[in-house]
Amino acid sequence: KNQVEQSPQSLIILEGKNCTLQCNYTVSPFSNLRWYKQDTGRGPVSLTIMTFSENTKSNGRYTATLDADTKQSSLHITASQLSDSASYICVVSDRGSTLGRLYFGRGTQLTVWP
Amino acid sequence: EADIYQTPRYLVIGTGKKITLECSQTMGHDKMYWYQQDPGMELHLIHYSYGVNSTEKGDLSSESTVSRIRTEHFPLTLESARPSHTSQYLCATQDRGGHETQYFGPGTRLLVL
Repeated sequence: KNQVEQSPQSLIILEGKNCTLQCNYTVSPFSNLRWYKQDTGRGPVSLTIMTFSENTKSNGRYTATLDADTKQSSLHITASQLSDSASYICVVSDRGSTLGRLYFGRGTQLTVWP
Repeated sequence: EADIYQTPRYLVIGTGKKITLECSQTMGHDKMYWYQQDPGMELHLIHYSYGVNSTEKGDLSSESTVSRIRTEHFPLTLESARPSHTSQYLCATQDRGGHETQYFGPGTRLLVL
C-alpha cells in the first residue's frame, strides 16, 4: 500500500529558530515529491517540488531535501517567523497510472511562538 | 489575476438538504479535482475531471456528484446532506507542465446538523 508518513505530527518553536520536518514514503514508482504549506482555513500552496534526480531544492527560507534511495524527504525552515505557523504537507506523485495520482501525508502542524 | 474560487466558504445546513458547492477557476487549466479533508487528516480525492464532459470518481467513496459543463466550473452536489458529510472540501486545478503542480482553492467548510 502506497503511503506517506510525516513526523512530527505537531511542533512548537520560538520565532527565529530553525526546524526540520520529516516525510517518509513508500510510493512506487516514484515521480516527484512536493511540500505544501496550508494555512488554517485555506487551501494548500506549493512550496517546493523535487524529482528523482534532485536531492535539494530551496524556496527562500524553506529548503527541501530528498533521498530517493531511502525514500525520505525533509523540509528545513530557517529563522522561523510567526507567519510560518501552518500545516506542512508532503505529497508524493506516482507514475503507475495515467492519472499520475497524488499521495498526501497528514501534515505537520507547526506553531511559531513570539 | 488567475485564481480559484470556492463558494460558499462556510455552510451550516440541516440533514436531508440538497447542497451544491461551487468551484470556478481562471487558471485556464483543464484538470480539476475535489478533495475532502478532515482536521489533522490527509486529503482524499473524491472526484476529478480532465475536461468538459469528463468526470470520474476518486479514491474515497462519496455520495456526491459533479459536473463539468464548462471548463471554468466544477460544482459538487450532495443530494441529501448527512452529518457524516461534515468536512472541508477543497477544489484544485492542475496545469499541463512537466511537474503537474496542483493549485488549490480556499476550501468550503461544511457542517451538517
